[in-house]
Amino acid sequence: SQTIHQWPATLVQPVGSPLSLECTVEGTSNPNLYWYRQAAGRGLQLLFYSVGIGQISSEVPQNLSASRPQDRQFILSSKKLLLSDSGFYLCAWTPRGAGNTIYFGEGSWLTVV
Amino acid sequence: GQQVMQIPQYQHVQEGEDFTTYCNSSTTLSNIQWYKQRPGGHPVFLIQLVKSGEVKKQKRLTFQFGEAKKNSSLHITATQTTDVGTYFCENDMRFGAGTRLTVKP
Repeated sequence: SQTIHQWPATLVQPVGSPLSLECTVEGTSNPNLYWYRQAAGRGLQLLFYSVGIGQISSEVPQNLSASRPQDRQFILSSKKLLLSDSGFYLCAWTPRGAGNTIYFGEGSWLTVV
Repeated sequence: GQQVMQIPQYQHVQEGEDFTTYCNSSTTLSNIQWYKQRPGGHPVFLIQLVKSGEVKKQKRLTFQFGEAKKNSSLHITATQTTDVGTYFCENDMRFGAGTRLTVKP
């Protein structure tokens, strides 16, 4: 069966510090991979998605970047965090193709102080 | 992709009352998915609707896809405290704003 792992689960970072959130998917090949952000009590904002190694699409201009160095690995990064980067970050995957169920990781709570 | 609009933003009900959340789009949707997110958790897939006019049921939950495939609804009959959470619709990777349901015992 397929599983998705995301870490760290929580982190508190000072303004201006770097960020790296990592996500891996097991039990499938060539997945589509996603990063979403959810502000407290709000909806899910699509940040990045990837259909293959090295292929990243950005949905909104922001202080974040994403990379996909391996087929089942997706990384969310920032060089200098802002207070507004605080939120709940969710990695997700779908089987290749459109209109598929989205499977989410457990999420990472980021607080920028 | 066009984002679906979801209402209401919040719904507070007495246990045993019914609950409905709605999603609407200005364009025809190929499909729509529904998810539930418990407080502090991550969204979990509930169901997918694909066909025009489709109705699917999961125990007390009824999901509908409009005839024109531009709207969808999730209805919960006789809510229970275990129904608490935020319900999202989704199309083409994009989610509605969600409806947060709270249930008073």
